[in-house]
Amino acid sequence: GAVVSQHPSRVICKSGTSVKIECRSLDFQATTMFWYRQFPKKSLMLMATSNEGSKATYEQGVEKDKFLINHASLTLSTLTVTSAHPEDSSFYICSASSPVARRTDTQYFGPGTRLTVL
Amino acid sequence: GENVEQHPSTLSVQEGDSAVIKCTYSDSASNYFPWYKQELGKGPQLIIDIRSNVGEKKDQRIAVTLNKTAKHFSLHITETQPEDSAVYFCAASHNNNDMRFGAGTRLTVKP
Repeated sequence: GAVVSQHPSRVICKSGTSVKIECRSLDFQATTMFWYRQFPKKSLMLMATSNEGSKATYEQGVEKDKFLINHASLTLSTLTVTSAHPEDSSFYICSASSPVARRTDTQYFGPGTRLTVL
Repeated sequence: GENVEQHPSTLSVQEGDSAVIKCTYSDSASNYFPWYKQELGKGPQLIIDIRSNVGEKKDQRIAVTLNKTAKHFSLHITETQPEDSAVYFCAASHNNNDMRFGAGTRLTVKP
């Protein structure tokens, strides 16, 4: 149990376009989802935390108008990178947790999405 | 906020030997300490976790120890195998809020 999927796994886009990444919890309802960014050979940096039905809470330095997060249901959260630029190229990873249903606050991670902006 | 430091950054061992990765944290309120294994191009996978009310936890070849007083915790892998080669991350959080990750340790197990 506790499977989290992401789509797409890889995306290449032109500078100035917007890209949407989906994160789904496949076998449990996630009350909280997290979005991370990871640069090559670096650690995970938390971008934002989203609770179902609420606005996302962004970490300091993360532009909420550039990285739009929607957590409309208990199984789906989306991250939209708006007006993407080459510096947005990175590995984006989501995670999900459901403390009450799963009786643990463990975060379960998706496989990641590699975004390349040309 | 929480600050997690992880050492070493790289670790190379012979197959069958043990590997130890250490982390320290700064926030005494942190009470949850997971360890993740990340293979190239994939998302992190939880391998073991420990909570602040426990000093040690073991799962087959993997064990984690926690010293709350010193604010450090360690991952121990015994009888290492080539498939253990990956990047390992420690993390610390308080009730799953504001989880902070260490910088990662690249473990290489030589056959």
